[in-house]
Amino acid sequence: GQSLEQPSEVTAVEGAIVQINCTYQTSGFYGLSWYQQHDGGAPTFLSYNGLDGLEETGRFSSFLSRSDSYGYLLLQELQMKDSASYFCAVLTTGGFKTIFGAGTRLFVKA
Amino acid sequence: EAGVTQSPTHLIKTRGQQATLRCSPISGHTSVYWYQQALGLGLQFLLWYDEGEERNRGNFPPRFSGRQFPNYSSELNVNALELEDSALYLCASSRGGTFSYEQYFGPGTRLTVT
Repeated sequence: GQSLEQPSEVTAVEGAIVQINCTYQTSGFYGLSWYQQHDGGAPTFLSYNGLDGLEETGRFSSFLSRSDSYGYLLLQELQMKDSASYFCAVLTTGGFKTIFGAGTRLFVKA
Repeated sequence: EAGVTQSPTHLIKTRGQQATLRCSPISGHTSVYWYQQALGLGLQFLLWYDEGEERNRGNFPPRFSGRQFPNYSSELNVNALELEDSALYLCASSRGGTFSYEQYFGPGTRLTVT
């Protein structure tokens, strides 16, 4: 089967750093993407890892380890507006199908 | 640059009826993806169209179908509606293929089946 696991909820304080983990089990792996979705809004693309290592985009970084079938999204200098759901998504080699995780709801407290 | 657009915003149907949802991708994007998002849950992959062809579909019954037009816009049809079809239906577009890792989403159509 194909599955992605990520924590359902994470709470952090404004200004802090938070890491959202994602482990996956898929039959064929091309890369791992991360999306942000605010309540009532559409998902927006944050980052992509096709190779092992760290990708940095401003306050957000994403990491991938293919050998461990594991990745994470790192959010630094947390702001209240970062409160949202974060989804990891695997792009599979089987017809470039995208499988989304169930999402991690991030609560940022003042 | 205009983003992905979807219509209608809301749709209310009765069980057994048919629903048609529409999506226009970003200019230059050839791929359109459809997802179902039940309230408070993740995104379930429904269908992927590229260059007018259905390229892949998720684990949904055949009453979920669609098509992509020559201008790359797309339609999702849901026949014989059931109560559990009530959800937010999201459309996304990308340049397709290996670029499928970066999808741009529309605002969604909220389908309510009563």
